[in-house]
Amino acid sequence: DADVTQTPRNRITKTGKRIMLECSQTKGHDRMYWYRQDPGLGLRLIYYSFDVKDINKGEISDGYSVSRQAQAKFSLSLESAIPNQTALYFCATSDPGGGGAYEQFFGPGTRLTVL
Amino acid sequence: DAKTTQPNSMESNEEEPVHLPCNHSTISGTDYIHWYRQLPSQGPEYVIHGLTSNVNNRMASLAIAEDRKSSTLILHRATLRDAAVYYCISNSGYALNFGKGTSLLVTP
Repeated sequence: DADVTQTPRNRITKTGKRIMLECSQTKGHDRMYWYRQDPGLGLRLIYYSFDVKDINKGEISDGYSVSRQAQAKFSLSLESAIPNQTALYFCATSDPGGGGAYEQFFGPGTRLTVL
Repeated sequence: DAKTTQPNSMESNEEEPVHLPCNHSTISGTDYIHWYRQLPSQGPEYVIHGLTSNVNNRMASLAIAEDRKSSTLILHRATLRDAAVYYCISNSGYALNFGKGTSLLVTP
């Protein structure tokens, strides 16, 4: 079984709809992250969480919200989806590591299309 | 976190070594150098990371310049399964800043 799972894997929705992307991990990591990837570009950080009570905005948090329901679960919500939120979304986890010395483990991604 | 510069694309023959360069001229003393790769239709996966010394693992080697302003990821024998986008990331903080990476094409 995969260590980091994302549901759904693909989703098509309409402008203005609320949508939730879910991420679960079995690695026992405290840190979880949400990224988005647009075609031909690298990943950009949306939100990150160091533990259940710690949620932080990333580079591009506008239009998104998150919920850390448990150590193993981190959900990303689009309150009112718009077409420019069409992208590939990745969840990741990591141990704290020392300073910048840590490895992130990524899920398989959710392909979201907003019509 | 330092900005990194990588070539957009590189090509290699199968079973030959591949040297993927990365420039991080503004790197600070506490910034680590990370390499990730992303195979088609998959999430990124960790390859290797280092701070000052060269590093080796089962996937690759990381050669870090003495002044730390550049580094090279070395794949010792490229296989077709190594075709991917390779990201060089320099950071000291909580998250990874992915650029566009280098798209590696491996030909038989």
